[in-house]
Amino acid sequence: EAQVTQNPRYLITVTGKKLTVTCSQNMNHEYMSWYRQDPGLGLRQIYYSMNVEVTDKGDVPEGYKVSRKEKRNFPLILESPSPNQTSLYFCASSRWAQGNTGELFFGEGSRLTVL
Amino acid sequence: AQTVTQSQPEMSVQEAETVTLSCTYDTSENNYYLFWYKQPPSRQMILVIRQEAYKQQNATENRFSVNFQKAAKSFSLKISDSQLGDTAMYFCALSGGTSYGKLTFGQGTILTVHP
Repeated sequence: EAQVTQNPRYLITVTGKKLTVTCSQNMNHEYMSWYRQDPGLGLRQIYYSMNVEVTDKGDVPEGYKVSRKEKRNFPLILESPSPNQTSLYFCASSRWAQGNTGELFFGEGSRLTVL
Repeated sequence: AQTVTQSQPEMSVQEAETVTLSCTYDTSENNYYLFWYKQPPSRQMILVIRQEAYKQQNATENRFSVNFQKAAKSFSLKISDSQLGDTAMYFCALSGGTSYGKLTFGQGTILTVHP
């Protein structure tokens, strides 16, 4: 089954404790991206990657890191989480063809709470 | 910078009736893509419909259609014969330009379909 898998789905942590949210897709998609969803703000792009070893900042990259060492994986790293990073996080992937992102396939979301 | 604005935080409609969700956007690019995504209470993000800016014909997917007004930078979603399963948050999104990897979402509109 084609899917994007995120882990963990729920996490409560404390300020400053490094954490990683993993994202893996099994569709051989070139493009992967991370978003955070906050009430009244919609989804905002954190980082995206158009292929292995190619990453770029979205609109809200501060406080986050990513890496793309393998095509299928795109982990989101919070080196020193703060309460303002409490949010619902989505990973998504799509084919990258003719300079265009096609339909995005989303993971099920990761609810992160930073105390 | 590209922006997407959904000015209707909430909408409601009776089952079997028609409802239109509004979306305006701003971009300096000529080639771009517009999307409507649906997020039901399960939080899963589902692509509803996609429009390529260079195509003048409005996209249609079964009960869902768009009114794409390029000059006005408007991209509304019409849902005909509304069903209870249409109850969800709907997001308008824009990608394109010199950096196709950037995908900008609107704030979302919560649609409730009443029996």
